Amino acid sequence: GENVEQHPSTLSVQEGDSAVIKCTYSDSASNYFPWYKQELGKGPQLIIDIRSNVGEKKDQRIAVTLNKTAKHFSLHITETQPEDSAVYFCAATSGSARQLTFGSGTQLTVLP
Amino acid sequence: DVKVTQSSRYLVKRTGEKVFLECVQDMDHENMFWYRQDPGLGLRLIYFSYDVKMKEKGDIPEGYSVSREKKERFSLILESASTNQTSMYLCASSSPTGELFFGEGSRLTVL
Repeated sequence: GENVEQHPSTLSVQEGDSAVIKCTYSDSASNYFPWYKQELGKGPQLIIDIRSNVGEKKDQRIAVTLNKTAKHFSLHITETQPEDSAVYFCAATSGSARQLTFGSGTQLTVLP
Repeated sequence: DVKVTQSSRYLVKRTGEKVFLECVQDMDHENMFWYRQDPGLGLRLIYFSYDVKMKEKGDIPEGYSVSREKKERFSLILESASTNQTSMYLCASSSPTGELFFGEGSRLTVL
């Protein structure tokens, strides 16, 4: 089955700096890669996703890149703000499977 | 907005008790999921369901069962709770595009 590894487990940045979280996956058939943000006391919420026919996708301050050859994908947050502080999860799924496999999560702290 | 509602935010149970965690979604999604969240382990899939009365095992089904009698409702059952089942439990439903919508979670403590 799919195995997703996520790094780092914790990340602290100064407000206004960029943050990068990286994930690798094992199943070369995987074709959908979402990122979820979990704020304290809430369930995870989708913030951006990418499919295997695209190399990069942006949404305002958030971007995701995908390298299918190397089997890794990354989340980039620019101009970080205190409200970006949360736990971020990457995930992957293959076309044959309808369930997501999640990474272990990254606690991002944006310092004012 | 899609809403996934979990019936209990916090539960405290004793070892050996039977535990029911209820989940209801209001967007007519066919797919529903139960995950367990533990620090450093991310979200691990316990069970999922693609249709009423249908269920499939996820990655960690041992010690759990599920019930889907109606499309909008998916229940997680711990037949005999154990201390190693102390955790945060997250229910989700998915849209046709695959996006998961999560509930706010049920934090279970087994004493």
